[in-house]
Amino acid sequence: QKEVEQDPGPLSVPEGAIVSLNCTYSNSAFQYFMWYRQYSRKGPELLMYTYSSGNKEDGRFTAQVDKSSKYISLFIRDSQPSDSATYLCAMNIDTGNQFYFGTGTSLTVIP
Amino acid sequence: NAGVTQTPKFQVLKTGQSMTLQCAQDMNHEYMSWYRQDPGMGLRLIHYSVGAGITDQGEVPNGYNVSRSTTEDFPLRLLSAAPSQTSVYFCASSLFRRQGVGGYTFGSGTRLTVV
Repeated sequence: QKEVEQDPGPLSVPEGAIVSLNCTYSNSAFQYFMWYRQYSRKGPELLMYTYSSGNKEDGRFTAQVDKSSKYISLFIRDSQPSDSATYLCAMNIDTGNQFYFGTGTSLTVIP
Repeated sequence: NAGVTQTPKFQVLKTGQSMTLQCAQDMNHEYMSWYRQDPGMGLRLIHYSVGAGITDQGEVPNGYNVSRSTTEDFPLRLLSAAPSQTSVYFCASSLFRRQGVGGYTFGSGTRLTVV
């Protein structure tokens, strides 16, 4: 079983829709949770960063962590064509030396 | 401020050849790492370094060597290229040694094909 599971999609939505992206994980020791956005043929860029459980909001983006269910989510409100990318979740334990990445979900926002 | 710079962007190697992928960062980050990204496999850690002179293996280290003589540079060496090493390679750095804090800054990647 992989440490982190992520539905690869692809996911296609109309402009303005609310998008929900999700990851599940198996290691209850994970404490740091991140979402990266990766445009085609580019390196991933950090989008959201949360510690432990709870919600974090940044503009149109909201990250949620439910440690009891080992489930994290990224919500994108009022989605734009520029949001079309692959979204990667990543997580780590408190003293770990590497992040564990999901395989990424490909999102296309149609104008 | 260039961030993380990787060279070359593209490379084709023949089986058995060796080469070095270059990575440099100008952010004074302590932590640097190399990942490979393959379809359906996600990002997998090859090697990492928590400071100059300190390196360690990640999840998939076989066939690769690293060294960290300066804070800025972290080259990845392929010793004898194999078709299984065809991949996109990313260098990533972080301000803190303890990797949970702060997240990574990634380079733009090196697309390597081994024929």
